[in-house]
Amino acid sequence: GENVEQHPSTLSVQEGDSAVIKCTYSDSASNYFPWYKQELGKGPQLIIDIRSNVGEKKDQRIAVTLNKTAKHFSLHITETQPEDSAVYFCAASMDSGYSTLTFGKGTMLLVSP
Amino acid sequence: NAGVMQNPRHLVRRRGQEARLRCSPMKGHSHVYWYRQLPEEGLKFMVYLQKENIIDESGMPKERFSAEFPKEGPSILRIQQVVRGDSAAYFCASSPFGLAGDTDTQYFGPGTRLTVL
Repeated sequence: GENVEQHPSTLSVQEGDSAVIKCTYSDSASNYFPWYKQELGKGPQLIIDIRSNVGEKKDQRIAVTLNKTAKHFSLHITETQPEDSAVYFCAASMDSGYSTLTFGKGTMLLVSP
Repeated sequence: NAGVMQNPRHLVRRRGQEARLRCSPMKGHSHVYWYRQLPEEGLKFMVYLQKENIIDESGMPKERFSAEFPKEGPSILRIQQVVRGDSAAYFCASSPFGLAGDTDTQYFGPGTRLTVL
């Protein structure tokens, strides 16, 4: 089955800096890669996703890049703000009919003012 | 459009009791997924259901756990004879599936935090 590795497990940055979180996956058949943000005591919120027919997707301060050959994808947050502090999860699935998500273990991002 | 709803938000049970967790998907969504999250871990898939059907239960323990999604009403995750190791956050997600452009996008509820004493 699919295995998703996520690094780093914790990341501390100063407000205004950029943050990068990286994930690798094992199943070359995976072609859908969402990122979720989870705040304390809440459910995961989808913040951006990418499908394998594109290499990069951007939404304001958030971008995701995908390298299918190397089987890794990354989340980039620019101009970080304290409210970006949360746990971020990457996931992978096969976008064919239904497909369950395999999650990484998460990255705790702390943005200091 | 209301999001995915789960209740209760917190549930405390003693060992040997039953736990029932409820999930109402987003309006228009007929596909429900249950995930379990242990402390400082990612979410692990348990079961995927459509109305009145279990499609994939490969992530659900064979004993004590069951799930249903009836024609009317919420999806239910049921844990019988709970043990301390069942303590976790249980999240439900729903997806529209079949609607153009949204295949596989899953939207999560706030979760139920189960504590077994």
